[in-house]
Amino acid sequence: SQELEQSPQSLIVQEGKNLTINCTSSKTLYGLYWYKQKYGEGLIFLMMLQKGGEEKSHEKITAKLDEKKQQSSLHITASQPSHAGIYLCGADLTGANSKLTFGKGITLSVRP
Amino acid sequence: GAVVSQHPSRVICKSGTSVKIECRSLDFQATTMFWYRQFPKKSLMLMATSNEGSKATYEQGVEKDKFLINHASLTLSTLTVTSAHPEDSSFYICSARRGGNTEAFFGQGTRLTVV
Repeated sequence: SQELEQSPQSLIVQEGKNLTINCTSSKTLYGLYWYKQKYGEGLIFLMMLQKGGEEKSHEKITAKLDEKKQQSSLHITASQPSHAGIYLCGADLTGANSKLTFGKGITLSVRP
Repeated sequence: GAVVSQHPSRVICKSGTSVKIECRSLDFQATTMFWYRQFPKKSLMLMATSNEGSKATYEQGVEKDKFLINHASLTLSTLTVTSAHPEDSSFYICSARRGGNTEAFFGQGTRLTVV
């Protein structure tokens, strides 16, 4: 079974619409990382969350980590075609501050 | 953010040959580097954790003699796919961290095709 579940699997939105994607685990997320990837390219770091209830924003993207540290959401406001790509969440599930476990990713398409 | 450079971005090799992939942290010293393999529509699969000056720690099911990892300095780790076969064709990607509890930055990835 997947240790990190991302939902939905894929998403198509109209440009200008808001959207939220999720990353959930049955284990504690000691560190939660969001990345964006274009197919066949590397991962671009978006945000890192570590504390329960923490929220960070950069431009039109906001990421939150719930108080229990088992779920994170990524919200995009007024989506643009440049937001299209694969969004991956990665997490430290052991608290050892070493390797990250990743979800399968969410493919986002933004229609002009 | 920090820059991690991976080379080559694409490589095609004949079955039975070996291929070396380099991962460099350009503007920071990476005490730990990680090598992943990514399959289409699958999550990143961690292959091994590479610590400078010591042997790599391989994940279960990853053949250490097949995927040789060397982390000779704080800015360079290499992955060598030995005696490559078509089933080794994949997208390989590295990441680097300054230390624990910090961001992990990724290279651009290497598309390996074994013919």
